[in-house]
Amino acid sequence: EAGVAQSPRYKIIEKRQSVAFWCNPISGHATLYWYQQILGQGPKLLIQFQNNGVVDDSQLPKDRFSAERLKGVDSTLKIQPAKLEDSAVYLCASSFTGRDTEAFFGQGTRLTVV
Amino acid sequence: KQEVTQIPAALSVPEGENLVLNCSFTDSAIYNLQWFRQDPGKGLTSLLLIQSSQREQTSGRLNASLDKSSGRSTLYIAASQPGDSATYLCAVRGTGNQFYFGTGTSLTVIP
Repeated sequence: EAGVAQSPRYKIIEKRQSVAFWCNPISGHATLYWYQQILGQGPKLLIQFQNNGVVDDSQLPKDRFSAERLKGVDSTLKIQPAKLEDSAVYLCASSFTGRDTEAFFGQGTRLTVV
Repeated sequence: KQEVTQIPAALSVPEGENLVLNCSFTDSAIYNLQWFRQDPGKGLTSLLLIQSSQREQTSGRLNASLDKSSGRSTLYIAASQPGDSATYLCAVRGTGNQFYFGTGTSLTVIP
């Protein structure tokens, strides 16, 4: 079974530039998550999709971050404009819907803002 | 809001020792709890999933327990090996299907 695919693996940008990350979840997984993991911390949920609808985006800095999941499959997360404090690993995860299901994570995108 | 705490933050043990990692959470209304392993610069690898109705799960040298009423889980690693060196994260799945993570325990197994 193919896992969660993310690209790019690494990205270095200057502050105030824009950047986009892509995620392709495991086939059939209706729920998709984007997490931000700052060095030395646990992952923090940015946004949760159920199919192509947003379930929770309460911790997404909406003035600079946006995400979409058109057609309920793959998803993109965008930052515009980037700040130094956005330097982190951005993790995408997916799962089947249901209380008994397991989450699977991609390899992540390491973003460095200079 | 769910708060997840992991103790200790870092642990260093000699090869062959058995060890226990701890995870506590504040809201017992959870669907399940998952333990993950994270190697430097990598994503999260799922180790064990415990449903809210279960008390423990085992996989090889790993055993995870869950006491939902007291908001605690432990991950027991038997006969540790240098290859076990990594950061271990626990995550609880809330009733809104979101996952709340602890800050992790960084484990070093010394040959």
